[in-house]
Amino acid sequence: EVQLVESGGGLVKPGGSLRLSCAASGFAFSDYSMNWVRQAPGKGLEFVASISSSRRYIHYGDSVKGRITISRDDAENSVYVQMYSLRLEDTAVYYCARRYGDGWSDYWGQGTLVTVSS
Amino acid sequence: EIVLTQSPGTLSLSPGERATLSCRASQSVNNHFLAWYQQKPGQAPRLLIHGAVNRAAGIPDRFSGSGSGADFTLTITRLGPEDFAVYYCQQYGSSPYSFGLGTKLEIK
Repeated sequence: EVQLVESGGGLVKPGGSLRLSCAASGFAFSDYSMNWVRQAPGKGLEFVASISSSRRYIHYGDSVKGRITISRDDAENSVYVQMYSLRLEDTAVYYCARRYGDGWSDYWGQGTLVTVSS
Repeated sequence: EIVLTQSPGTLSLSPGERATLSCRASQSVNNHFLAWYQQKPGQAPRLLIHGAVNRAAGIPDRFSGSGSGADFTLTITRLGPEDFAVYYCQQYGSSPYSFGLGTKLEIK
């Protein structure tokens, strides 16, 4: 059974940093690209970042570009996102999702909440 | 960035009725790389359709996707009580892989 479990969320002050993790199981993690998607309270979904299986292709959403780094550790079956210079508007539930086929997200974790507040 | 516009914002229908949800892109979506997701309160999104027309595994055949270029449609025939949720389209052909703002399907 495919499982994705996010962790690392919490309360952080504006300007602070945070590292989110997503632990994967139930599939050959190293063969798949992975996505991060976020959802602000009461709002829609927003693409954050993606990383290919080879790490050759990395993409970021416009609102986080320059403040975020996505990485992966295939030995740990995990994908990470390091966030810097956090803003109030970064408050959201952050989901990781497996990227399948031409790029749709077929499995999603339950999300981890990041709250940016002073 | 490709901007996806979903309409209507809210759709009020009764169980048993047919729902038609629209997703219009600001430019043509590469190779029909368009997905639809369903999200219920407190839950992660669930993949319904990929490649504009292909149902994901385990999705009932009352869900169907159509369209090409910049105009796409999700149709749900014979609405069941479990279908009332928010629906998002996403294009994954051109980074950043943008989502629409969603259509809320509510019980009339």
